[in-house]
Amino acid sequence: GAGVSQTPSNKVTEKGKYVELRCDPISGHTALYWYRQSLGQGPEFLIYFQGTGAADDSGLPNDRFFAVRPEGSVSTLKIQRTERGDSAVYLCASSLTAQNEQFFGPGTRLTVL
Amino acid sequence: GENVEQHPSTLSVQEGDSAVIKCTYSDSASNYFPWYKQELGKGPQLIIDIRSNVGEKKDQRIAVTLNKTAKHFSLHITETQPEDSAVYFCAPWGYQKVTFGTGTKLQVIP
Repeated sequence: GAGVSQTPSNKVTEKGKYVELRCDPISGHTALYWYRQSLGQGPEFLIYFQGTGAADDSGLPNDRFFAVRPEGSVSTLKIQRTERGDSAVYLCASSLTAQNEQFFGPGTRLTVL
Repeated sequence: GENVEQHPSTLSVQEGDSAVIKCTYSDSASNYFPWYKQELGKGPQLIIDIRSNVGEKKDQRIAVTLNKTAKHFSLHITETQPEDSAVYFCAPWGYQKVTFGTGTKLQVIP
């Protein structure tokens, strides 16, 4: 069956630009998570959705980062005025409900020049 | 937020030997304790998990043990194989939130 997919797989942008990263979760999974992973580090929690609402967005580093999940399925992570420090792999995961096995996508590698 | 520490950060074992990775957490409300394996260029994948009402769980060569009093849980891999080489993360769930550990790079030497 289809797993979690993320697009694009790679994104190169210039400092100051706006980017959108998309996540398609497994059908029927109510929980969706966004993480950021830098080289040699563990995934850093950003935000998690239960249905359409953000159950916890305490991991978003600042107000340049925003995420939506308007219909409780696909989610978009939006980053405004990108900075070089935003360069990382952005991982999305989904689970049937919270506190259950998370299924991860392959990630989007974001490079800010 | 929850403080999560993993030890060791790197581990090399001979093929066929056992490997143990320990994860210490701070939130006494944590009640779900998974371990993930991440191979190069891929997202993490769950290998085993345990809930707070159980002390130990085993799945073939992999086991997890939980000590809620001491707030730590451990991953045990027996009869290691080269394909076990990867980075392993613990990811305990506190109240409404999951925190990943810093990772353990396991190398199994043939």
